[in-house]
Amino acid sequence: GAVVSQHPSWVICKSGTSVKIECRSLDFQATTMFWYRQFPKQSLMLMATSNEGSKATYEQGVEKDKFLINHASLTLSTLTVTSAHPEDSSFYICSASTSGGASEQFFGPGTRLTVL
Amino acid sequence: GQNIDQPTEMTATEGAIVQINCTYQTSGFNGLFWYQQHAGEAPTFLSYNVLDGLEEKGRFSSFLSRSKGYSYLLLKELQMKDSASYLCAVKDSNYQLIWGAGTKLIIKP
Repeated sequence: GAVVSQHPSWVICKSGTSVKIECRSLDFQATTMFWYRQFPKQSLMLMATSNEGSKATYEQGVEKDKFLINHASLTLSTLTVTSAHPEDSSFYICSASTSGGASEQFFGPGTRLTVL
Repeated sequence: GQNIDQPTEMTATEGAIVQINCTYQTSGFNGLFWYQQHAGEAPTFLSYNVLDGLEEKGRFSSFLSRSKGYSYLLLKELQMKDSASYLCAVKDSNYQLIWGAGTKLIIKP
C-alpha cells in the first residue's frame, strides 16, 4: 500500500520559534497533499490543500502567514508553523492522494507539536 | 451546511458485535470512508463505499444507503485492540473530505 511519512514525529519548542514539519509520499507521486490539525478529543480539521507546484488553498480561519505550506515536488510537502504559541500545540497530520482528492487519501503518522 | 453525525462514544464486550452509525448531509456525494484512529496516532483506512449496499472485509463490514444519507460500520468478534475512535468521512461534490467527530469505541473484557 501507499506509504506516507512525517518528520519529526514529535517536537517541543519555545514560544516564538518556528517549526517545520515534512510530509513525504514514499512509494507514489502525490499530486495533492492535505494538512490537518487535531486537538485532543476532537475530529480532524482540514487546514489546507496543496497541489504540487502551486500555492496552497487554505481553509477559512487558517492564517496563511502563520502556517506556511510548500509543495515543491510530487513527494514532499512542508508545513512551517511560524512564531509558534502554546495554542498552536496540536497533532498535525498530513495526507496525500494521487489525483486532486478524487482518490483515496493516505495518511502520515502525524506530528505532535508542543509549544512551551 | 454540511454535517456528519455519529455517536460520541460506544461500549461493547470482547467477542461481541457492534454497529456504529453515521448520517450525513453534504453538498454532493463522491463516496463515504471509515477510518480507525488509535489514541495519538493518525487515521488508518478501513473501508470505502460509493454504491448502496454492504461491503465486507474480514471482521469489518460497511453499509451505505445514499437515499437515506446513512452508513454504518459493523465490527464482529470484537477484540481489545479494536478499542479506538472510528471516523466517518464523506467526499462532497468538490471531492473534499468532510469529517465526522468520530465515535470512541470502548471494548470491555
